[in-house]
Amino acid sequence: NAGVTQTPKFQVLKTGQSMTLQCAQDMNHNSMYWYRQDPGMGLRLIYYSASEGTTDKGEVPNGYNVSRLNKREFSLRLESAAPSQTSVYFCASSYRGNTEAFFGQGTRLTVV
Amino acid sequence: QKEVEQNSGPLSVPEGAIASLNCTYSDRVSQSFFWYRQYSGKSPELIMSIYSNGDKEDGRFTAQLNKASQYVSLLIRDSQPSDSATYLCAVRREYSSASKIIFGSGTRLSIRP
Repeated sequence: NAGVTQTPKFQVLKTGQSMTLQCAQDMNHNSMYWYRQDPGMGLRLIYYSASEGTTDKGEVPNGYNVSRLNKREFSLRLESAAPSQTSVYFCASSYRGNTEAFFGQGTRLTVV
Repeated sequence: QKEVEQNSGPLSVPEGAIASLNCTYSDRVSQSFFWYRQYSGKSPELIMSIYSNGDKEDGRFTAQLNKASQYVSLLIRDSQPSDSATYLCAVRREYSSASKIIFGSGTRLSIRP
């Protein structure tokens, strides 16, 4: 049982390059989330999704796009990476209702 | 004002003592409350959830919720060096079409031998 799987684990980009972070869960969860974590900032919500085909902006959506491809997968795209997007990115998923989120192992992204 | 606020610490507590972590939230309609522990370089892991006013105990951990004061706390009894980590408070709100989970900035806890 893999839980929430993120790829890649590490990535270095040059300013202006694009990339997609992949996330998949095998727990049959409805909701999925993308967070970024910077030193001293906790986890900040970028986008979230309640179901396939629906997405909503979180606290810090600028510079990102997302796609909920199906119930299992939720991808995060950086169209033109900037040094300010250097961060650790976490994907998470949960059931509907008052339940907790389960996290992937994170992607450490550096933009130079 | 951030939706979820925590004292960033670091909070230093002697081994065997009680560690007290606090969190306030701004959205009165928030429905679920969570405490996560995060070790350096690792993913957050859930240690406690609480949904109604009062106390909830699980081993050495007690979560306390006061919705009127919009306040959540976590007590760790008999603190151990392995409890040294960052503790994240999280608040969940359900909407008609979706739910979102917002985190505080975390409190760094250090247990000194």
